[in-house]
Amino acid sequence: KQEVTQIPAALSVPEGENLVLNCSFTDSAIYNLQWFRQDPGKGLTSLLLIQSSQREQTSGRLNASLDKSSGRSTLYIAASQPGDSATYLCAVNNNDMRFGAGTRLTVKP
Amino acid sequence: GAVVSQHPSWVICKSGTSVKIECRSLDFQATTMFWYRQFPKQSLMLMATSNEGSKATYEQGVEKDKFLINHASLTLSTLTVTSAHPEDSSFYICSAGEGGTNINYGYTFGSGTRLTVV
Repeated sequence: KQEVTQIPAALSVPEGENLVLNCSFTDSAIYNLQWFRQDPGKGLTSLLLIQSSQREQTSGRLNASLDKSSGRSTLYIAASQPGDSATYLCAVNNNDMRFGAGTRLTVKP
Repeated sequence: GAVVSQHPSWVICKSGTSVKIECRSLDFQATTMFWYRQFPKQSLMLMATSNEGSKATYEQGVEKDKFLINHASLTLSTLTVTSAHPEDSSFYICSAGEGGTNINYGYTFGSGTRLTVV
């Protein structure tokens, strides 16, 4: 059974800092990996989707990388803003989607 | 882009009653939908995989007689929480993807349903 781990569980940074969120998974036979954002009490917002054949995806200030063989993905957020404060979830797809516990990010003004 | 509509967004019910949650794919056909549950400050836990026209596949520890799933069409799956109890209070969220489970596309999630059982 796929297990997904996210580190750190929580992160607090001052505005403007660059930061990296980590995700690891135990079964490398995945179709793709997706990063989501979840605001308190809300649903999920898809940020980036990386196919198993890809190494990275970029969207604005976000960059996600994937090293399938080692079972790792990172989400890089550049020039963080208070509006980036949320929980970031990593999910891997190998016939179903399994989520990590998330990283709760706080960006202080 | 793909849109998944989930209703209701929140519901309060009395203990012992049943609650139905709907998940619709609005602009695509979804042969497979997934149901998740999220307790406060925890991540999403997969409850079951809903397959159109066949029985749902439940994760270990999820009571199939309590959480009834019906996927009668390619655009609609329903989750019914039967005889709800306060411990069933949670955030329930569905997702669907184009082309079934073996896809190279991402999944789209509904906006979730917050269930409170009093």
